[in-house]
Amino acid sequence: GAGVSQSPSNKVTEKGKDVELRCDPISGHTALYWYRQSLGQGLEFLIYFQGNSAPDKSGLPSDRFSAERTGGSVSTLTIQRTQQEDSAVYLCASSVTSGRAGELFFGEGSRLTVL
Amino acid sequence: DAKTTQPNSMESNEEEPVHLPCNHSTISGTDYIHWYRQLPSQGPEYVIHGLTSNVNNRMASLAIAEDRKSSTLILHRATLRDAAVYYCILRGLYNAGNNRKLIWGLGTSLAVNP
Repeated sequence: GAGVSQSPSNKVTEKGKDVELRCDPISGHTALYWYRQSLGQGLEFLIYFQGNSAPDKSGLPSDRFSAERTGGSVSTLTIQRTQQEDSAVYLCASSVTSGRAGELFFGEGSRLTVL
Repeated sequence: DAKTTQPNSMESNEEEPVHLPCNHSTISGTDYIHWYRQLPSQGPEYVIHGLTSNVNNRMASLAIAEDRKSSTLILHRATLRDAAVYYCILRGLYNAGNNRKLIWGLGTSLAVNP
């Protein structure tokens, strides 16, 4: 597809389990962002990848959260030992440039529900 | 901390123009003003961006105040499909810190009446 693809679209898990969320950015986009959106809230920055540079992990809320981006393309966000407060929609976005005029293209998100 | 201020909600009638305001009184001279919208159950989508001059595209127009401390997104003829949350954000020159994180507030929830 031509857009940003995220999977799974919905994930229900039990508290304490680990989950992996996948993002397939638009081909050629060097910048990749992960955001979290809780119900009725704005977007909360989690992590940013730019090319081969070290990622900006400053938004990750705890050490249970980690992300990687392989080969400058696909990214996986991993949440270990999930808690109920992790329930949210996790959004991935990519951009051809990290510059200030760059447009972000978002996926449709992965809705995570922790029971 | 959000660097922009928008009304929580607005309402419009179908086929009428809509003016969505955004205040950004602490904007720096190199910040671009971006607008995104988020339809229900979807990720945000880009609408328009500008620096100083007014901008037009197929989706909307962006009017930027002369002092750049505020801007207005203009939908010329609202349709039911335009019902969404509209976000105004600033993107700075240097790709670091908040410029990278892109501070998203709560946006304006636009309702369009048939």
